[in-house]
Amino acid sequence: DIQMTQSPSSVSASVGDRVTITCRASQGISSWLAWYQQKPGKAPKLLIYAASSLQSGVPSRFSGSESGTDFTLTISSLQPEDFATYYCQQANSFPYTFGQGTKLEIK
Amino acid sequence: EVQLVESGGGLVQPGGSLRLSCAASGFPFSSYWMSWVRQAPGEGLEWAANIKQDGSEKYYVDSVKGRFTISRDNAKNSLYLQMNSLRAEDTAVYYCARVLGTSYFDYWGQGTLVTVSS
Repeated sequence: DIQMTQSPSSVSASVGDRVTITCRASQGISSWLAWYQQKPGKAPKLLIYAASSLQSGVPSRFSGSESGTDFTLTISSLQPEDFATYYCQQANSFPYTFGQGTKLEIK
Repeated sequence: EVQLVESGGGLVQPGGSLRLSCAASGFPFSSYWMSWVRQAPGEGLEWAANIKQDGSEKYYVDSVKGRFTISRDNAKNSLYLQMNSLRAEDTAVYYCARVLGTSYFDYWGQGTLVTVSS
């Protein structure tokens, strides 16, 4: 199975900050990667797919990039509604696997 | 508007069975792969199973293979998960999700909680 390792596991930031979350795949997955946002008690929401494609309706302050087996989610200017937990997911091969999550907290 | 509504969760004893349902609306259900994703209390997300549009292909995570069966009824716009031989570690919120292409989960239901305990 492909392991997805996210870092950091938690991060504190302020409104207006730029935040970067990284996900590393244990083997090559091409661009088969998605990012999700989850708020407490709610279902996850798809933000980015195919490593860098913005899902319809998602604000442009969210972006994704890749370099080899390393993938990055960037939030350019944090808004109050962005404080949540973020997960990456590989879709290169079954079983699809998620990272362990990164909790973004208010500083 | 795309809507996915799960039902069928509850408390079940170890070794028992449960059948989850997901009612889909607002999109051509028969045109999409569908999936079940679960989340244990306080834990991360775990993909559980996928099913192709016509039901001809099904994939499972190893931990549920042989115990869970994903199925669908396109005439009823419904997705199902039959769960047998349930274990404590199957305790989770189970989400029904629509699959974008064959790979990503673009719409999710609100989830249904399954608790396996004596």
